[in-house]
Amino acid sequence: QQPVQSPQAVILREGEDAVINCSSSKALYSVHWYRQKHGEAPVFLMILLKGGEQKGHDKISASFNEKKQQSSLYLTASQLSYSGTYFCGTENRDDKIIFGKGTRLHILP
Amino acid sequence: NAGVTQTPKFRILKIGQSMTLQCAQDMNHNYMYWYRQDPGMGLKLIYYSVGAGITDKGEVPNGYNVSRSTTEDFPLRLELAAPSQTSVYFCASSYSGAGESTDTQYFGPGTRLTVL
Repeated sequence: QQPVQSPQAVILREGEDAVINCSSSKALYSVHWYRQKHGEAPVFLMILLKGGEQKGHDKISASFNEKKQQSSLYLTASQLSYSGTYFCGTENRDDKIIFGKGTRLHILP
Repeated sequence: NAGVTQTPKFRILKIGQSMTLQCAQDMNHNYMYWYRQDPGMGLKLIYYSVGAGITDKGEVPNGYNVSRSTTEDFPLRLELAAPSQTSVYFCASSYSGAGESTDTQYFGPGTRLTVL
């Protein structure tokens, strides 16, 4: 089951904050967040594990609500380098990671 | 470490031709994956493997085959190429211990395939 991401696209000015949401219809074992710049491969940002453990990134944080089967990615004081498409990938204890359709983030100077 | 390598970087096929996309990793990861990404879209899982000799279907396996004879290599075979298989193909690898969640996926640079 493909997770649903929202919003589909965001335009921000440098320094503003953004929240990207990811929800699943199935119980989640872990949530993975990746960023992809145009023409490049996805790059790891964050893993959130069932039970609350979080492996993260400096200025980007995330939450994982197991009961609601949701995760949110928080980008604070956004920088131009944050531009790209953000994907969440969900793992349902079946060894495979299924990605959402992505959220396009564009940061204006 | 080279990480995850993919060959070729670009390829144009005619309808009905076959080819193999190569993927190799030197990180001793047990899990390997193949995804396709259509323009402006997300990643769709084609096949994955949890170890040498073990493969399983993902979301969109039709028209593809895989094998995993070694830990390092995970080739993707396209038989009878069709225009619908025009896409960017990414290979990825990760480590997962028994009973643990999958760790970071490392992606290769991708193969851009066009079927005409």
